[in-house]
Amino acid sequence: QVKLVESGGDVVQPGRSLRLSCVVSGFSFSNNAMHWVRQAPGKGLEWMAVISFDGSKKDYGDSVKGRFTISRDNSKNTVYLQMNSLRVDDTAMYFCAKPYSGTYIFDEWGQGTLVTVSS
Amino acid sequence: DIQMTQSPSNLSASVGDTVSITCRASQSITNWLAWYQQKPGKAPKLLIYDASILESGVPSRFSGSGSGTEFTLTISSLQPVDFATYYCQQYKTYSPTFGGGTKVELK
Repeated sequence: QVKLVESGGDVVQPGRSLRLSCVVSGFSFSNNAMHWVRQAPGKGLEWMAVISFDGSKKDYGDSVKGRFTISRDNSKNTVYLQMNSLRVDDTAMYFCAKPYSGTYIFDEWGQGTLVTVSS
Repeated sequence: DIQMTQSPSNLSASVGDTVSITCRASQSITNWLAWYQQKPGKAPKLLIYDASILESGVPSRFSGSGSGTEFTLTISSLQPVDFATYYCQQYKTYSPTFGGGTKVELK
């Protein structure tokens, strides 16, 4: 059974940093790219970042490029999202998502972790 | 980025109705389109990919069609469990984008 479990969400002040984690099980993590997608309260879905299966390639959405960093530890079946210089509009539920191999079709999602940026 | 526009944003329907949701892309995405269902407080669930391929385990009352810039998700004989918000997503580019969502509510 595939499982993705995010953690690390919290209430933080603008300008601060936070690191999210997503631990996965039930599939070959080291053979899969992984993504982060977020959803602001009451809003739609926004793709954030992707990391290749071996961590050698990364890409980001324009709204977080230069502030957020995606990484992974294949020995721990974990993908991370380091979020720096947080802004009020980063407030959202953050989901990690597994794609079908070689695609950007998200067939498995975690339950999400909530990040609130507020002074 | 490719913009995805869904309509309507809200839809009221009764159990047993057939409903359709439209998703339009700002440029051609061929058939690189997925549909997701999301219930309150839950993660999205993949329903359809490549515009018309039903994800394993998804009931056959869900169907997808379209190509290029216009796509449709149809739910035949709406069931109580189908009341949710639906999102389309393009994955033609390496910067995937989602539609704004369509909330299907009980009339």
